[in-house]
Amino acid sequence: QSALTQPASVSGSPGQSITISCTGTSSDVGGYNYVSWYQQHPGKAPKLMIYDVSNRPSGVSNRFSGSKSGNTASLTISGLQAEDEADYYCSSYTSSSTGVFGTGTKVTVL
Amino acid sequence: QVQLQESGPGLVKPSETLSLTCTVSGGSISSYYWSWIRQPPGKGLEWIGYLYYSGSTNYNPSLKSRVTISVDTSKNQFSLKLSSVTAADTAVYYCARVGTYCSGGSCYSRWFDPWGQGTLVTVSS
Repeated sequence: QSALTQPASVSGSPGQSITISCTGTSSDVGGYNYVSWYQQHPGKAPKLMIYDVSNRPSGVSNRFSGSKSGNTASLTISGLQAEDEADYYCSSYTSSSTGVFGTGTKVTVL
Repeated sequence: QVQLQESGPGLVKPSETLSLTCTVSGGSISSYYWSWIRQPPGKGLEWIGYLYYSGSTNYNPSLKSRVTISVDTSKNQFSLKLSSVTAADTAVYYCARVGTYCSGGSCYSRWFDPWGQGTLVTVSS
């Protein structure tokens, strides 16, 4: 199974909005509403930020939002803050009953 | 709240078997799916496999021939074994609980949460 495709890096200034894309196929992202997003700071375990495409777990800021169109899911961070600088990974269920992660995106706050 | 903790050797020799255990505290291992995920240094996340507490499993096709995930419900633990390791298996290994939706005999993995802190395993002679 191939990793989902994400841009290697995205940057923005404080207060701006940025969007990270996650492109798969009809066998994963496009076939199910089971896309999740994770934030990972250096040396730390990933943290769940979005599940089922657009749902936020309790405690996650409403500045984080998710969506999906066809085979591409997206994570939007609005009102960008310094603490949002981290790596972000998408993940999806697949038609083979397996999981797959994205290639990862480094978010830089300018 | 549920917490996960990985444990096992930090150094494994090439061609040998990597063995790790994930201990679940603050909740029961029963009625949930559990997963192993790894991350080579400086690289992205790779899903290794799932385990249901009853013992049923599903593995990443690229690792399937070398991976075994098992459960010990009496100890509230599940384990990972990866055989014939090479330097390419050097990574931080994470365990995580899987959020699932089950219907009509099929279960769908929706998210991974919570995660353990991760443990670095280096493959080297």
